[in-house]
Amino acid sequence: AQKITQTQPGMFVQEKEAVTLDCTYDTSDPSYGLFWYKQPSSGEMIFLIYQGSYDQQNATEGRYSLNFQKARKSANLVISASQLGDSAMYFCAMREGSGAGGGNKLTFGTGTQLKVEL
Amino acid sequence: NAGVTQTPKFQVLKTGQSMTLQCAQDMNHEYMSWYRQDPGMGLRLIHYSVGAGITDQGEVPNGYNVSRSTTEDFPLRLLSAAPSQTSVYFCASREGGGYKTQYFGPGTRLLVL
Repeated sequence: AQKITQTQPGMFVQEKEAVTLDCTYDTSDPSYGLFWYKQPSSGEMIFLIYQGSYDQQNATEGRYSLNFQKARKSANLVISASQLGDSAMYFCAMREGSGAGGGNKLTFGTGTQLKVEL
Repeated sequence: NAGVTQTPKFQVLKTGQSMTLQCAQDMNHEYMSWYRQDPGMGLRLIHYSVGAGITDQGEVPNGYNVSRSTTEDFPLRLLSAAPSQTSVYFCASREGGGYKTQYFGPGTRLLVL
């Protein structure tokens, strides 16, 4: 079974509109962390936002917020007020495991290509 | 503070050749990892290290070797390149303890003919 599922291969959004990128995950570990990364056409991986499994509130970082629904095992990324520079591939990832190491493996989804239009 | 650096940026190899992809970080991070990115498959973990002298296999380790003689450096060696190893390779590092953010290098694009 896929650990991280991103069901939207591509998305379009109008500039200044909000957009939600879907991510569902599968784990039996009670301790895990969820991450979103942005990969522009230049290829680098840029960290956006992190949500821990025990965090009570949804994470926010500027225009990015993570809609964390633990019972549904979903961790959707919401980008508010989209900008042309938001056009990129977006990856959801999960790290499982407890303890100081927190696990060493990030499991990635297949990504969602976002295109922001004028 | 350069973060995570990788060299080369692009490399073409012939089948059977060997080479080393270099990775260095200047953030004194304990954890370093190598991933490969293939179209439609996201990133997959090749090898990782939790500190100098300690390495372990990830999800797709076959055909690759690593070593970690210093905190800063984590080279990835292709022993005998195969066309299936054509990919983009990312090195990443993070601090130890809890769910610290992983920082990625700019990537190395490898083409094996």
